[in-house]
Amino acid sequence: AQSVTQLGSHVSVSEGALVLLRCNYSSSVPPYLFWYVQYPNQGLQLLLKYTSAATLVKGINGFEAEFKKSETSFHLTKPSAHMSDAAEYFCAVSASSGGYQKVTFGTGTKLQVIP
Amino acid sequence: NAGVTQTPKFRILKIGQSMTLQCTQDMNHNYMYWYRQDPGMGLKLIYYSVGAGITDKGEVPNGYNVSRSTTEDFPLRLELAAPSQTSVYFCASTKGTTNEQYFGPGTRLTVT
Repeated sequence: AQSVTQLGSHVSVSEGALVLLRCNYSSSVPPYLFWYVQYPNQGLQLLLKYTSAATLVKGINGFEAEFKKSETSFHLTKPSAHMSDAAEYFCAVSASSGGYQKVTFGTGTKLQVIP
Repeated sequence: NAGVTQTPKFRILKIGQSMTLQCTQDMNHNYMYWYRQDPGMGLKLIYYSVGAGITDKGEVPNGYNVSRSTTEDFPLRLELAAPSQTSVYFCASTKGTTNEQYFGPGTRLTVT
C-alpha cells in the first residue's frame, strides 16, 4: 500500500518569504515522487519529479524538492515567494502495484501569498 | 500538440440522467486515467487504461463506465447520475509508468 500526507491544507506566506510545503509518503517499493501545481479552474501541471537519479530535484518557477528516504519526505521549497505562486499544490507517489503503476495523490495544500 | 482535451467544460444533469465525458490526447500515450476531484479530498482514480482495449477499475469506479477503442480517446460514461457524482472530473495521460501525467482542463459536473 502507498499513501501521501500533505501537512497543512492552507499555507500563507508573505511575498519574498520562503515557501515550504510538506509531503510525507509511504511505499513498500521504491517510489517515484511528483509535485503538481493547480491554478484556479485548470488541470494539474507538473512542477518537478523524483525518479531516483538525484535526491535534490529542481523544477519550474524556482521550486525544488529534496527526497529524504530516512524521513520518507519530499518537501517542496522556493526561496522567495511570488504573487503568481498562489495556487494549490499536490504531492503524488507512483509505484508498481499489481501490474500497473499506481499513482496516489495527497489532498493538496493551498498556498496564499500575501503582498 | 493540443495535449489532453476534455469536453464539455461544464454540465448540469438531473438525477437519473446519463452523459459521456469526452477525453482525447494527441501525444500517443498508452496510459490514460480518469480522476474526480472533490474539495479537500485530492484526486481519486475512477478508471484507468494501459492501452486500447484494456481498462480497469480504480478506487471509486461505482456509477461509471469507460471504454478505450483507440489510443487517443478515453470516454467516461455516467449511466444514472446521482448527487454524489457532483465533482470536477479530470482526464490524464502518460507515456510510461514512470513518467508524469498530463492533465486535461477538467469538466465541472453538477447533479441536482
